[in-house]
Amino acid sequence: DSGVTQTPKHLITATGQRVTLRCSPRSGDLSVYWYQQSLDQGLQFLIQYYNGEERAKGNILERFSAQQFPDLHSELNLSSLELGDSALYFCASSPRGGDPTDTQYFGPGTRLTVL
Amino acid sequence: SQQGEEDPQALSIQEGENATMNCSYKTSINNLQWYRQNSGRGLVHLILIRSNEREKHSGRLRVTLDTSKKSSSLLITASRAADTASYFCATDTMNTGFQKLVFGTGTRLLVSP
Repeated sequence: DSGVTQTPKHLITATGQRVTLRCSPRSGDLSVYWYQQSLDQGLQFLIQYYNGEERAKGNILERFSAQQFPDLHSELNLSSLELGDSALYFCASSPRGGDPTDTQYFGPGTRLTVL
Repeated sequence: SQQGEEDPQALSIQEGENATMNCSYKTSINNLQWYRQNSGRGLVHLILIRSNEREKHSGRLRVTLDTSKKSSSLLITASRAADTASYFCATDTMNTGFQKLVFGTGTRLLVSP
């Protein structure tokens, strides 16, 4: 158990809908990262937050957005869902996020299926 | 896009044998990390090697890094059925002051009893 929790575990929805994925980082970790893992794209970095502020952006679509709240939990919002958004979405946390030797601790993931 | 390409894509061995996985990457890095993922589960950090290190050990794991060739290898010695998983290399090409990992394509390892 990494100490990172993600809810829900599974999510099945229809095209065009909007969903919110939630992540609680390890106690004391300030950075939260979101990743998408799909069969065709592999594991892709989406976005990073550090202590409530956006710090780095990866291959995140405009239909997707995220935020980190004062209690450091984070939410990833996916809207206008398409079939291709079906994937595993992982959240990870690290103590700082600016130290290149920081280890990222991954949550168990949310499996999103768009029908 | 992915920074790392891993080879082989899949590897099947018997318990007790050694497993070697290779990772090649494209740009300069600060460090390289190896992660393990059991089927459909979250990733688990295995080991980190800095760009100024050439070899690192952790239990049955041995990682090498050759920055001139932009490649790394992960060796698992005396493999066990419980080592069956996918293994990913991840590079940190931090330019912004914050860590940003780029993952490779992964090697699926199957260890048979």
